[in-house]
Amino acid sequence: GIQVEQSPPDLILQEGANSTLRCNFSDSVNNLQWFHQNPWGQLINLFYIPSGTKQNGRLSATTVATERYSLLYISSSQTTDSGVYFCAVIWAAGNKLTFGGGTRVLVKP
Amino acid sequence: NAGVMQNPRHLVRRRGQEARLRCSPMKGHSHVYWYRQLPEEGLKFMVYLQKENIIDESGMPKERFSAEFPKEGPSILRIQQVVRGDSAAYFCASSETTGYINQPQHFGDGTRLSIL
Repeated sequence: GIQVEQSPPDLILQEGANSTLRCNFSDSVNNLQWFHQNPWGQLINLFYIPSGTKQNGRLSATTVATERYSLLYISSSQTTDSGVYFCAVIWAAGNKLTFGGGTRVLVKP
Repeated sequence: NAGVMQNPRHLVRRRGQEARLRCSPMKGHSHVYWYRQLPEEGLKFMVYLQKENIIDESGMPKERFSAEFPKEGPSILRIQQVVRGDSAAYFCASSETTGYINQPQHFGDGTRLSIL
Protein backbone atom coordinates (compact mmCIF):
# COMPACT_ATOMS: atom_id res chain seq x y z
CA GLY A 1 0.00 0.00 0.00
CA ILE A 2 0.86 3.65 -0.17
CA GLN A 3 3.19 5.18 2.43
CA VAL A 4 2.57 8.66 3.83
CA GLU A 5 5.26 10.38 5.86
CA GLN A 6 4.95 13.69 7.61
CA SER A 7 7.68 15.93 8.95
CA PRO A 8 8.60 17.20 11.38
CA PRO A 9 6.89 14.95 13.95
CA ASP A 10 6.84 17.75 16.52
CA LEU A 11 6.98 21.52 16.21
CA ILE A 12 7.09 24.17 18.93
CA LEU A 13 6.38 27.71 17.79
CA GLN A 14 6.26 31.09 19.39
CA GLU A 15 3.01 32.91 18.72
CA GLY A 16 3.35 34.93 15.52
CA ALA A 17 5.89 32.64 13.89
CA ASN A 18 5.51 31.02 10.47
CA SER A 19 6.01 27.33 9.75
CA THR A 20 5.93 24.73 7.01
CA LEU A 21 4.72 21.15 7.42
CA ARG A 22 5.57 18.53 4.83
CA CYS A 23 3.80 15.41 3.60
CA ASN A 24 5.54 12.90 1.31
CA PHE A 25 3.71 10.03 -0.33
CA SER A 26 5.04 7.03 -2.17
CA ASP A 27 2.65 6.66 -5.12
CA SER A 28 0.20 8.51 -7.35
CA VAL A 29 -2.82 9.91 -5.54
CA ASN A 30 -6.13 11.35 -6.65
CA ASN A 31 -7.14 12.85 -3.31
CA LEU A 32 -5.08 14.64 -0.70
CA GLN A 33 -6.56 16.29 2.36
CA TRP A 34 -5.05 18.21 5.28
CA PHE A 35 -6.73 18.06 8.69
CA HIS A 36 -6.24 19.72 12.04
CA GLN A 37 -7.07 17.65 15.09
CA ASN A 38 -7.65 20.09 17.92
CA PRO A 39 -6.94 19.38 21.59
CA TRP A 40 -10.54 18.21 22.02
CA GLY A 41 -10.01 15.52 19.41
CA GLN A 42 -12.17 17.03 16.69
CA LEU A 43 -10.90 16.55 13.14
CA ILE A 44 -11.21 19.73 11.12
CA ASN A 45 -11.00 19.74 7.33
CA LEU A 46 -8.41 22.27 6.21
CA PHE A 47 -7.85 21.59 2.53
CA TYR A 48 -8.81 19.22 -0.23
CA ILE A 49 -5.82 19.62 -2.50
CA PRO A 50 -4.84 16.76 -4.84
CA SER A 51 -2.79 19.30 -6.81
CA GLY A 52 -2.06 23.01 -6.99
CA THR A 53 -2.19 25.72 -4.34
CA LYS A 54 -4.99 26.92 -2.09
CA GLN A 55 -5.22 29.54 0.63
CA ASN A 56 -7.63 29.98 3.51
CA GLY A 57 -6.82 32.87 5.80
CA ARG A 58 -3.47 32.30 7.51
CA LEU A 59 -3.19 28.78 6.11
CA SER A 60 -2.18 27.75 2.64
CA ALA A 61 -1.25 24.47 1.01
CA THR A 62 0.57 23.33 -2.08
CA THR A 63 0.60 19.86 -3.61
CA VAL A 64 3.10 18.87 -6.30
CA ALA A 65 1.58 15.57 -7.36
CA THR A 66 4.31 14.73 -9.88
CA GLU A 67 6.94 14.94 -7.13
CA ARG A 68 4.71 13.29 -4.53
CA TYR A 69 4.64 15.85 -1.77
CA SER A 70 2.42 18.46 -0.21
CA LEU A 71 3.22 21.41 2.04
CA LEU A 72 1.05 23.16 4.60
CA TYR A 73 2.01 26.70 5.56
CA ILE A 74 0.92 28.33 8.78
CA SER A 75 1.57 32.05 8.96
CA SER A 76 1.38 34.29 12.04
CA SER A 77 0.63 31.27 14.23
CA GLN A 78 -1.81 31.57 17.13
CA THR A 79 -2.26 29.42 20.22
CA THR A 80 -5.47 28.07 18.69
CA ASP A 81 -3.35 26.52 15.93
CA SER A 82 -2.02 23.99 18.44
CA GLY A 83 -2.92 20.37 17.84
CA VAL A 84 -1.98 17.65 15.41
CA TYR A 85 -1.94 18.20 11.66
CA PHE A 86 -2.62 15.18 9.48
CA CYS A 87 -2.10 14.68 5.81
CA ALA A 88 -4.19 11.92 4.21
CA VAL A 89 -4.25 10.57 0.67
CA ILE A 90 -6.30 8.25 -1.46
CA TRP A 91 -4.18 6.00 -3.59
CA ALA A 92 -5.10 6.16 -7.26
CA ALA A 93 -6.74 2.72 -7.13
CA GLY A 94 -8.91 3.08 -4.04
CA ASN A 95 -11.43 5.01 -1.96
CA LYS A 96 -9.93 4.95 1.53
CA LEU A 97 -7.83 7.67 3.08
CA THR A 98 -4.37 6.66 4.27
CA PHE A 99 -3.15 8.99 7.00
CA GLY A 100 0.35 10.11 7.80
CA GLY A 101 1.63 9.99 11.34
CA GLY A 102 0.88 13.65 11.93
CA THR A 103 2.83 16.71 13.03
CA ARG A 104 2.15 17.76 16.61
CA VAL A 105 2.23 21.56 16.84
CA LEU A 106 2.40 23.57 20.04
CA VAL A 107 2.13 27.33 19.76
CA LYS A 108 3.33 29.14 22.87
CA PRO A 109 1.98 32.59 23.82
CA ASN B 1 -26.17 21.34 11.50
CA ALA B 2 -25.48 19.83 8.11
CA GLY B 3 -22.29 18.04 9.14
CA VAL B 4 -21.57 14.37 9.80
CA MET B 5 -23.30 13.43 13.06
CA GLN B 6 -21.93 10.73 15.31
CA ASN B 7 -23.39 9.47 18.55
CA PRO B 8 -22.72 8.90 21.26
CA ARG B 9 -19.72 11.19 21.75
CA HIS B 10 -18.48 9.03 24.60
CA LEU B 11 -19.29 5.40 25.30
CA VAL B 12 -18.17 3.30 28.24
CA ARG B 13 -18.53 -0.47 28.16
CA ARG B 14 -17.34 -3.34 30.31
CA ARG B 15 -15.35 -6.17 28.81
CA GLY B 16 -17.65 -8.62 27.03
CA GLN B 17 -20.44 -6.12 26.32
CA GLU B 18 -21.50 -4.85 22.92
CA ALA B 19 -20.83 -1.36 21.57
CA ARG B 20 -22.95 0.30 18.88
CA LEU B 21 -21.70 3.47 17.24
CA ARG B 22 -23.94 5.51 14.96
CA CYS B 23 -23.17 7.83 12.08
CA SER B 24 -25.48 9.99 9.99
CA PRO B 25 -23.72 11.28 6.87
CA MET B 26 -23.96 14.79 5.54
CA LYS B 27 -27.12 15.52 3.60
CA GLY B 28 -26.75 14.33 0.03
CA HIS B 29 -23.80 12.04 0.80
CA SER B 30 -24.20 8.38 -0.05
CA HIS B 31 -20.72 7.11 0.90
CA VAL B 32 -19.73 6.37 4.49
CA TYR B 33 -16.31 5.46 5.88
CA TRP B 34 -15.26 4.36 9.37
CA TYR B 35 -11.79 5.00 10.78
CA ARG B 36 -10.23 4.10 14.12
CA GLN B 37 -7.69 6.15 16.04
CA LEU B 38 -5.81 4.33 18.79
CA PRO B 39 -4.27 6.51 21.54
CA GLU B 40 -1.36 8.62 20.27
CA GLU B 41 -1.70 7.25 16.73
CA GLY B 42 -3.07 8.37 13.39
CA LEU B 43 -6.37 7.27 11.92
CA LYS B 44 -6.65 3.87 10.25
CA PHE B 45 -9.28 2.92 7.69
CA MET B 46 -11.76 0.24 8.72
CA VAL B 47 -14.65 0.01 6.24
CA TYR B 48 -16.32 1.80 3.33
CA LEU B 49 -20.05 1.47 2.72
CA GLN B 50 -22.71 2.71 0.38
CA LYS B 51 -26.41 2.30 1.05
CA GLU B 52 -27.06 -1.40 1.81
CA ASN B 53 -23.62 -2.42 0.52
CA ILE B 54 -20.18 -2.96 2.03
CA ILE B 55 -17.70 -1.86 -0.62
CA ASP B 56 -14.37 -2.33 1.15
CA GLU B 57 -13.89 -3.90 4.59
CA SER B 58 -10.18 -4.56 4.27
CA GLY B 59 -9.41 -2.66 7.50
CA MET B 60 -11.96 -4.40 9.70
CA PRO B 61 -10.76 -6.91 12.29
CA LYS B 62 -11.86 -10.38 11.23
CA GLU B 63 -13.89 -11.08 14.35
CA ARG B 64 -16.35 -9.17 16.54
CA PHE B 65 -16.60 -6.10 14.27
CA SER B 66 -19.37 -5.45 11.77
CA ALA B 67 -20.79 -2.45 9.95
CA GLU B 68 -23.95 -1.64 8.07
CA PHE B 69 -25.53 1.27 6.23
CA PRO B 70 -29.21 0.44 5.79
CA LYS B 71 -31.54 1.97 3.25
CA GLU B 72 -33.10 4.04 6.02
CA GLY B 73 -31.30 5.37 9.07
CA PRO B 74 -27.71 5.87 10.13
CA SER B 75 -24.68 3.71 9.54
CA ILE B 76 -23.86 1.46 12.50
CA LEU B 77 -20.48 0.15 13.60
CA ARG B 78 -21.00 -2.76 15.97
CA ILE B 79 -18.37 -4.29 18.21
CA GLN B 80 -19.33 -7.47 20.01
CA GLN B 81 -17.68 -8.80 23.19
CA VAL B 82 -15.48 -5.74 23.57
CA VAL B 83 -11.95 -6.04 24.95
CA ARG B 84 -9.62 -3.41 26.42
CA GLY B 85 -7.78 -3.09 23.11
CA ASP B 86 -10.95 -1.77 21.48
CA SER B 87 -10.60 1.47 23.45
CA ALA B 88 -10.12 4.14 20.81
CA ALA B 89 -11.74 7.04 19.01
CA TYR B 90 -13.93 5.91 16.12
CA PHE B 91 -14.50 8.44 13.37
CA CYS B 92 -17.06 8.36 10.61
CA ALA B 93 -16.68 10.27 7.35
CA SER B 94 -18.94 10.77 4.37
CA SER B 95 -18.55 11.92 0.80
CA GLU B 96 -20.64 12.58 -2.26
CA THR B 97 -20.95 10.12 -5.10
CA THR B 98 -17.44 9.78 -6.40
CA GLY B 99 -17.69 8.87 -10.04
CA TYR B 100 -14.13 8.68 -11.32
CA ILE B 101 -12.83 11.40 -9.02
CA ASN B 102 -12.63 10.99 -5.27
CA GLN B 103 -14.58 13.69 -3.49
CA PRO B 104 -13.31 15.07 -0.17
CA GLN B 105 -14.32 13.15 2.92
CA HIS B 106 -15.97 15.08 5.74
CA PHE B 107 -15.51 13.81 9.28
CA GLY B 108 -17.73 13.69 12.33
CA ASP B 109 -16.50 14.52 15.83
CA GLY B 110 -15.91 10.85 16.65
CA THR B 111 -17.05 8.47 19.37
CA ARG B 112 -14.60 7.88 22.22
CA LEU B 113 -14.99 4.28 23.33
CA SER B 114 -13.60 3.30 26.71
CA ILE B 115 -13.55 -0.31 27.90
CA LEU B 116 -13.42 -0.94 31.63
